Amino acid sequence: QSVLTQPPSASGTPGQRVIISCSGSSSNIGSNTVNWYQHLPGTAPKLLIYRNNQRPSGVPDRFSGSKSGTSASLAISELQSEDEADFYCAGWDDSLNGVVFGGGTKLTVL
Amino acid sequence: EVQLVESGGGLVKPGGSLRLSCAASGFNFNYYTMNWVRQAPGKGLEWVSSISSSGTYIYYADSLKGRFTISRDNTKNSLYLQMNSLRAEDTAVYYCARDLHSSCDFDYWGQGTLVTVSS
Repeated sequence: QSVLTQPPSASGTPGQRVIISCSGSSSNIGSNTVNWYQHLPGTAPKLLIYRNNQRPSGVPDRFSGSKSGTSASLAISELQSEDEADFYCAGWDDSLNGVVFGGGTKLTVL
Repeated sequence: EVQLVESGGGLVKPGGSLRLSCAASGFNFNYYTMNWVRQAPGKGLEWVSSISSSGTYIYYADSLKGRFTISRDNTKNSLYLQMNSLRAEDTAVYYCARDLHSSCDFDYWGQGTLVTVSS
């Protein structure tokens, strides 16, 4: 059971917009920033969004992040087949004094 | 070019020990907090441990305390993870990752090293 809760799966067709949610509590999302990672099996995870809504250089603006209260979300617009991957939210937890990851959401492009 | 290269993984028996290393290059290693993150087969990402740039602040996942020890040698641009009393559930790919702003934003990752704990 992960501290941050994500839906196990999400799907969309090419060109669609998909939103992945991440639910936490006052000790993590409620008081710290949220980061999002994209992970393809067999490869190194990739930082997609940091500090709630900032994109590292090289990440397309089709990816956007937001946070409200104890929840965060990752939006992917103009869905492409190469977006198929596992997505994780993560952040610091003040109660656990450590980093917590969501359980991950497997995105399928139909 | 920033590079993180893990080594030291392998097959170890339950109760055994292993020391992982992560060689960093292409950036000022002593400026950054570094982390270990693992992924067990068929599972999600799990944070293991974090060490601040100078080594002053160290944090561990609750489930690992007392068995794993993180350390770094800034003169060698290297990060380490000493793993003792290994269990089957420690079987995973272990990644080292650079913390961009010391706020859990891991902007560079190694390719990972596989640790298998089995008799």
